[in-house]
Amino acid sequence: DQQVKQNSPSLSVQEGRISILNCDYTNSMFDYFLWYKKYPAEGPTFLISISSIKDKNEDGRFTVFLNKSAKHLSLHIVPSQPGDSAVYFCAASINAGNNRKLIWGLGTSLAVNP
Amino acid sequence: DGGITQSPKYLFRKEGQNVTLSCEQNLNHDAMYWYRQDPGQGLRLIYYSQIVNDFQKGDIAEGYSVSREKKESFPLTVTSAQKNPTAFYLCASSIADRGRMNTEAFFGQGTRLTVV
Repeated sequence: DQQVKQNSPSLSVQEGRISILNCDYTNSMFDYFLWYKKYPAEGPTFLISISSIKDKNEDGRFTVFLNKSAKHLSLHIVPSQPGDSAVYFCAASINAGNNRKLIWGLGTSLAVNP
Repeated sequence: DGGITQSPKYLFRKEGQNVTLSCEQNLNHDAMYWYRQDPGQGLRLIYYSQIVNDFQKGDIAEGYSVSREKKESFPLTVTSAQKNPTAFYLCASSIADRGRMNTEAFFGQGTRLTVV
């Protein structure tokens, strides 16, 4: 059972427009959320994160919004650039005993067209 | 430069053979992880270790083994018991402090294993 869901496997946008990637989760105990970007045949790289006590975090062209009541977060990329074309993974963090556990979504493949 | 290194980048194995994937980090991270990625699937956790000489099974540990004799190193052995070993394997490390919410994991470049 997927606790972190990225329901859109792919997204295509024009260069300069906004890209919106969505992520839904089921466990209200998640207290930290992260977005990773992954190019083919490479490891994911950390992009941006948000604590559950906030509803927005912005870093340059990237903004993450969190709606706790809806258990939904989204990543906005404005303006989108061709170099943003990659797979974007949403991950949620939770305490698990003495550890912290990351639960991953399946990813959304973003294509930014020139 | 601090980082996490996986080797080799590409690996071919004959069916029935064990193979070991290397993962080394000099970030002074306590926690290390092995994930597997298959086409159309997200990252699935194989094993993780929060401290030297201790590790726990993840969601798909069958057919794999690990060791954590040093903080910097977390090798993964894909055994002949793993039925579908061909995949992209990713190693990651992170701070393991339970009190910190800032738990970004840093990933290696990955190893693509192909069974021939």
